[in-house]
Amino acid sequence: QVHLVQSGPEVKKPGASVKVSCKASGYTFIDNYLHWVRQAPGQGLEWLGWFNPDSGDTNYARKFRGRVTMTSDTSINTAFMELSSLRSDDTGVYYCARDIYGRTDHWGQGTLVTVSS
Amino acid sequence: DVVMTQTPLSLSVTPGQPASISCKSSQSLLHTNGKTYLYWYLQKPGQSPQLLMYEVSNRFSGVPDRFSGSGSGTDFTLKISRVEADDVGVYYCMQSMELPYTFGQGTKLDIK
Repeated sequence: QVHLVQSGPEVKKPGASVKVSCKASGYTFIDNYLHWVRQAPGQGLEWLGWFNPDSGDTNYARKFRGRVTMTSDTSINTAFMELSSLRSDDTGVYYCARDIYGRTDHWGQGTLVTVSS
Repeated sequence: DVVMTQTPLSLSVTPGQPASISCKSSQSLLHTNGKTYLYWYLQKPGQSPQLLMYEVSNRFSGVPDRFSGSGSGTDFTLKISRVEADDVGVYYCMQSMELPYTFGQGTKLDIK
């Protein structure tokens, strides 16, 4: 059974960085891309980018290029999303989601990131 | 970026009655490979989004056949033939035809 378990909530000050983890189980980690999507409080969904755990290739949404870094540690089947230069409007829930044949079929439970001075 | 526009933004439905949500994209989502990269998700209150439909009209595993998707090119529709209490939440369409992937604003469904 596929599971994506994300790290716990974070509180950061403006200008800081946050690193969210997403631990995969129930499938071969390197076989599937992972997407990162965020949701501001009471708002809709916004795609940040995808990550290929097999090659390390990434594709970031233009809006986040220069601030987002997606990586993984294949020895522990875990993906990471780091967002730097945090602003108050980066506050929200960050999700990882597995890609299979172009669709995101399993999502993590989400990680709340709060940016506040 | 491809703009996804959903209507209505909210609807209130009596159990057992049908519901329909429209999603229009600013560009065609039909790929040269013949596939159309349009997806529907449901985010139930307090939960992560869950995949309902992929490539317009294919129900994801475990999705009841009360749900159906249709459309082509730039115009798409999600229909629920008989709404149940468990269907409440926010429905999103999403395109993956072009990067960045983009979502509609969401349609909130509640029960009368």
